[in-house]
Amino acid sequence: SQQGEEDPQALSIQEGENATMNCSYKTSINNLQWYRQNSGRGLVHLILIRSNEREKHSGRLRVTLDTSKKSSSLLITASRAADTASYFCATGQGGSEKLVFGKGTKLTVNP
Amino acid sequence: DSGVTQTPKHLITATGQRVTLRCSPRSGDLSVYWYQQSLDQGLQFLIQYYNGEERAKGNILERFSAQQFPDLHSELNLSSLELGDSALYFCASSVSAGANTGELFFGEGSRLTVL
Repeated sequence: SQQGEEDPQALSIQEGENATMNCSYKTSINNLQWYRQNSGRGLVHLILIRSNEREKHSGRLRVTLDTSKKSSSLLITASRAADTASYFCATGQGGSEKLVFGKGTKLTVNP
Repeated sequence: DSGVTQTPKHLITATGQRVTLRCSPRSGDLSVYWYQQSLDQGLQFLIQYYNGEERAKGNILERFSAQQFPDLHSELNLSSLELGDSALYFCASSVSAGANTGELFFGEGSRLTVL
């Protein structure tokens, strides 16, 4: 079962624009993670935000977390063609230690 | 390069057959996770081992089994294969026992095609 659900399923933008992806989840979490996957490749960890944090930055990435709304967003600023990939949020499922992934947002950045 | 090695990269086999996928975790990582990725089901957690012991179980079919050996490498065995088992199988590793406490490092996957 999916704990996190990303929105939108697909996003197409021009190079230089910002890309925003959202993730909603259902149960309480310890932290929320974002991963990136280039087509057919392994997932790469981008950022982890803890439940007591509201915002976190890493380079051109900005992640926010709203535990009251059970949602998170990933913002990629000044996007590049190389950012083209699928982006997944991942959360712990309830009190379990399992990490459950959403179905992802497929981002296309057009040059 | 994540440091996680998976073999084989590609595998084509027939229905009813059995295959073994192998994973070597990053040096120093004690946890190994197996995930299945298909177009319709997304990324599904199968099973986790920590230092040789089963730690957590997900949507793993009874036809599938896994183990982690003393040298910490892991194998995922898939038997009585069906067409629907065609997917990308990922192995990931982490230092900690809990997957939701830190970063997972993923291998490049094993693409299984069942004909």
